[in-house]
Formats: sequence, structure tokens, C-alpha cells
Amino acid sequence: EAQVTQNPRYLITVTGKKLTVTCSQNMNHEYMSWYRQDPGLGLRQIYYSMNVEVTDKGDVPEGYKVSRKEKRNFPLILESPSPNQTSLYFCASSTGSGYEQYFGPGTRLTVT
Amino acid sequence: AQKVTQAQTEISVVEKEDVTLDCVYETRDTTYYLFWYKQPPSGELVFLIRRNSFDEQNEISGRYSWNFQKSTSSFNFTITASQVVDSAVYFCALSERGRNQGGKLIFGQGTELSVKP
Repeated sequence: EAQVTQNPRYLITVTGKKLTVTCSQNMNHEYMSWYRQDPGLGLRQIYYSMNVEVTDKGDVPEGYKVSRKEKRNFPLILESPSPNQTSLYFCASSTGSGYEQYFGPGTRLTVT
Repeated sequence: AQKVTQAQTEISVVEKEDVTLDCVYETRDTTYYLFWYKQPPSGELVFLIRRNSFDEQNEISGRYSWNFQKSTSSFNFTITASQVVDSAVYFCALSERGRNQGGKLIFGQGTELSVKP
């Protein structure tokens, strides 16, 4: 089954404790992105990748890192999480620019 | 500037009613793409449709239909004979060819549709 998977689905952590949210897709897509969804602010792009070893900042990259060492994986790293990073995070993948993005199930992160 | 506006924050209908969700977009690109996504209460984002700026043909898929009008910069979504399972938040989104950003989707704020039995 074609899908995007994310882990963990739910995470409660404390300020400053490094964490990684994994994302994997099995559709051989070149493009991958991370978005966060917040009430009143909607969905915003954090980082994106257009191929292996090619990543760039989206609209709200502060406090996040990403890597793309393999085509299928695109982990999101929070080196020192803060409460303002409490959010619902989505990973997405697509075949290219202008094509539909397929989203993972979401990761609900709470930073206390 | 690029922007997507979904003026209807919440809509409530009774089952079997028809309902139209409005979407108005702004872009300076001549080549762009429009999408609708559904976010049911379980939280995932489900792709519904994609349209490019050169294809103004309306589309029908079962009870769903979409009306794309470049003249009014609108891409409206109609559900015919709504069902309780249609209850969800619906997002309209825009992707511009010029400002690639990995095919970034610019989302509207969403319309929460509640279909009551």
C-alpha cells in the first residue's frame, strides 16, 4: 500500500530534550516536506527536500533541522524543543512541483 | 502575494442537503495548481483533487464536484446529497510554479463542515 508513515504519532516531552520525528514514504517520491498545523495559523511549511542531500528552508524553519540521506526517509529534528513548538506535524511527499502531496498521519507533539 | 481564502469557517447542514465550500485564491503566477484536501476528525489529510491553471474544466467524482473559474479566481467544491461521513475540515490549497519551494502548498484556513443526521 502506497503510504507515508510517521513516528511517533504522539509525543509529550520537556523543553530542551532533543527529539526526532521520523518520516518514510514508499512511493519513490523525490519531493518531501514537513508542515506544522496550528489553530488560527493553519498549515505552514517548515522544510522541504527535492532530492537526496537537497534540503531547504520553508516558511517557519527556526528551531528545526532535517536531513535526506535516503530517498524514502526525511526525519525532522528538534535539537532543543520549546513550548512554542507544540503542534501537529505532517510529513508529505510528491512526485514533483505542482503535483499532489500525500501526507502522513500526523505527529502530535507537546513540549512542556 | 499568494493567498488562499476560505471565508466560511463553519458550515452545518442536514444530511442529504447539497453544500458548497468556497475558495478564492490570489497569485501572480500564470502557472499554478489548486487542490482540495479533507481532514476528518481522525486528523489525517486526504487528497481530493488537483487542478492546473490551464484546465478550467469542471470535474465530478461521485457526489463531489469542483468548479474552477479563473475569471473570479475561485475553485469551489460542492458536495451533493451530503452524508454524515462528509463531516470534516476541508482545505483549499495553492501551489505556484514560480515560487517552487519544493512544491509548497499554501493552505486556506479551512472550512469545518458538520453534517447532521
